[in-house]
Amino acid sequence: AQSVTQLDSHVSVSEGTPVLLRCNYSSSYSPSLFWYVQHPNKGLQLLLKYTSAATLVKGINGFEAEFKKSETSFHLTKPSAHMSDAAEYFCVVSDGSGGYNKLIFGAGTRLAVHP
Amino acid sequence: EAQVTQNPRYLITVTGKKLTVTCSQNMNHEYMSWYRQDPGLGLRQIYYSMNVEVTDKGDVPEGYKVSRKEKRNFPLILESPSPNQTSLYFCASSPEGQGLWGYTFGSGTRLTVV
Repeated sequence: AQSVTQLDSHVSVSEGTPVLLRCNYSSSYSPSLFWYVQHPNKGLQLLLKYTSAATLVKGINGFEAEFKKSETSFHLTKPSAHMSDAAEYFCVVSDGSGGYNKLIFGAGTRLAVHP
Repeated sequence: EAQVTQNPRYLITVTGKKLTVTCSQNMNHEYMSWYRQDPGLGLRQIYYSMNVEVTDKGDVPEGYKVSRKEKRNFPLILESPSPNQTSLYFCASSPEGQGLWGYTFGSGTRLTVV
């Protein structure tokens, strides 16, 4: 069975400093991996996705993530945090074991950005 | 605009009173799914549908029903709501079940059962 572990439930950074949100996954298949962002009182928006092409994936708003198979990780980074990045972030793995790809969500990481 | 529309956004109801949360997508997507979001648990899948008249249980289906009579609509039905169904609900759709293109989510329905 596939699973996702987000290693930090809360991350706090200062504006202009780098962001690192950590995600480890377990998978019996070649996974598809996603990062979604949820702003307060909003739905989930796709930030980026990995589907077995380039291991370094660039997403929207300056975010990127690197797929490391040897470490089973898919950490999300951004060089310089902006106040508008404050939100909850979900790492998601797509599970193809049931004949279709069910999304399995991590518990989420809440990012706070301070002036 | 391509979107998934859920209604209502907020709902407070009493235990045992049947309710329906509607979900509609305008992208001609085959795959639709319902999730509930609870603090510290991320999103958990309730039901999904691969196409019209094809539905199946997700991880937490107890107390819920769904139907898929038309491609664009996928309502979530709570026949007899209970307080443990108080949660934030999301509908999602995708062109197909493989998830390679990601999923489009609705804005959510916050349900409170008292």
